[in-house]
Amino acid sequence: DSGVTQTPKHLITATGQRVTLRCSPRSGDLSVYWYQQSLDQGLQFLIQYYNGEERAKGNILERFSAQQFPDLHSELNLSSLELGDSALYFCASSGSGTGWDTQYFGPGTRLTVL
Amino acid sequence: AQSVTQLGSHVSVSEGALVLLRCNYSSSVPPYLFWYVQYPNQGLQLLLKYTTGATLVKGINGFEAEFKKSETSFHLTKPSAHMSDAAEYFCAVSVGTNFGNEKLTFGTGTRLTIIP
Repeated sequence: DSGVTQTPKHLITATGQRVTLRCSPRSGDLSVYWYQQSLDQGLQFLIQYYNGEERAKGNILERFSAQQFPDLHSELNLSSLELGDSALYFCASSGSGTGWDTQYFGPGTRLTVL
Repeated sequence: AQSVTQLGSHVSVSEGALVLLRCNYSSSVPPYLFWYVQYPNQGLQLLLKYTTGATLVKGINGFEAEFKKSETSFHLTKPSAHMSDAAEYFCAVSVGTNFGNEKLTFGTGTRLTIIP
């Protein structure tokens, strides 16, 4: 158990819909990362937050957005969903957000878009 | 920008044999290197990491990796494979010297199968 929690574990929805994925980081960790894992793209970095502020953006679509709240939990919002958005979405957290700091991964949310 | 290449998307070894999973990286600045393991339907678990100092890094479950700057490699090894090692293994690189550049860039993964 990494200490990072993600809800829900599974999500099945239809094209065009909007969903919210939630992540609670390990106690004391200030930095949260979101990654997408799919068969065709592999593991891709989406976005990073540090202590409530956006710190880095990766291959995140404009239809996707995220935020980190004062209690440090984070939400990833996916809207106007397409079939290609079906993937495993991971949240990771680290203490300092520096490059050498270990990122601890949650169990993931499996999104299926029908 | 940094990148990672994992040679061999599938590797099969016999139980008790040497495990060698290959990883080469590309980075314009000194890298931080990581190996993660993913068991079916689970998240990623850190096996080991190299940041600075000793180039031979020991991790959990008997795995180790050696950072070779001249070869830009960070291969993962285990002397004797166990059935429980069957999983997918990911090599990742971070640079982290610049604010906002701490993300992990992953390789495409190597699926390790252990033959009884």
